[in-house]
Amino acid sequence: EAAVTQSPRSKVAVTGGKVTLSCHQTNNHDYMYWYRQDTGHGLRLIHYSYVADSTEKGDIPDGYKASRPSQENFSLILELASLSQTAVYFCASRGGFQAPLFGEGTRLSVL
Amino acid sequence: GEQVEQRPPHLSVREGDSAVITCTYTDPNSYYFFWYKQEPGASLQLLMKVFSSTEINEGQGFTVLLNKKDKRLSLNLTAAHPGDSAAYFCAVSPITGNTGKLIFGLGTTLQVQP
Repeated sequence: EAAVTQSPRSKVAVTGGKVTLSCHQTNNHDYMYWYRQDTGHGLRLIHYSYVADSTEKGDIPDGYKASRPSQENFSLILELASLSQTAVYFCASRGGFQAPLFGEGTRLSVL
Repeated sequence: GEQVEQRPPHLSVREGDSAVITCTYTDPNSYYFFWYKQEPGASLQLLMKVFSSTEINEGQGFTVLLNKKDKRLSLNLTAAHPGDSAAYFCAVSPITGNTGKLIFGLGTTLQVQP
């Protein structure tokens, strides 16, 4: 069964600390995405990737890095977490023009 | 680039009533459209994928209409029930650039009252 698994599901981080959010897909999809969801802003694209070892900037990349070491894994890295990065983060994978399949989300609180 | 406007941001209806959510988009080359449902605290669940070649798409309890001339996509829930209470998002996939990106609307929070 197609799946996108995110870890951790929730995290509390301190301001200035490093945070890594992980995403794993078993769908053999080429595309992977990181979205951020805030109340009143819908989903905004942070970074995406269409092949291993390559990432692209989305619409709001500042303060985030991404890493795609393999087709199955896509990480989002906050080198210096800030209060404004408190949000719910969703990873998604997509094959061709199929509908993206979303993970369960990671709720990040930066204190 | 593509922009998607979704209306209304909030919608409250009574059980059995219809509910209509509309998205307008700007890129005439947009080819794939999606509707997602998100229940509180949950992930996004795909309701329907719409190709630009099909103007009317029917699902279980809802209909999606695509008006390419007006660049408008609508989700019509017929006879809404409390289980339909959730946030709904439209998403548009521009064909240009082949990035696979989706552009999301800001969402509509639907409340169905018994």
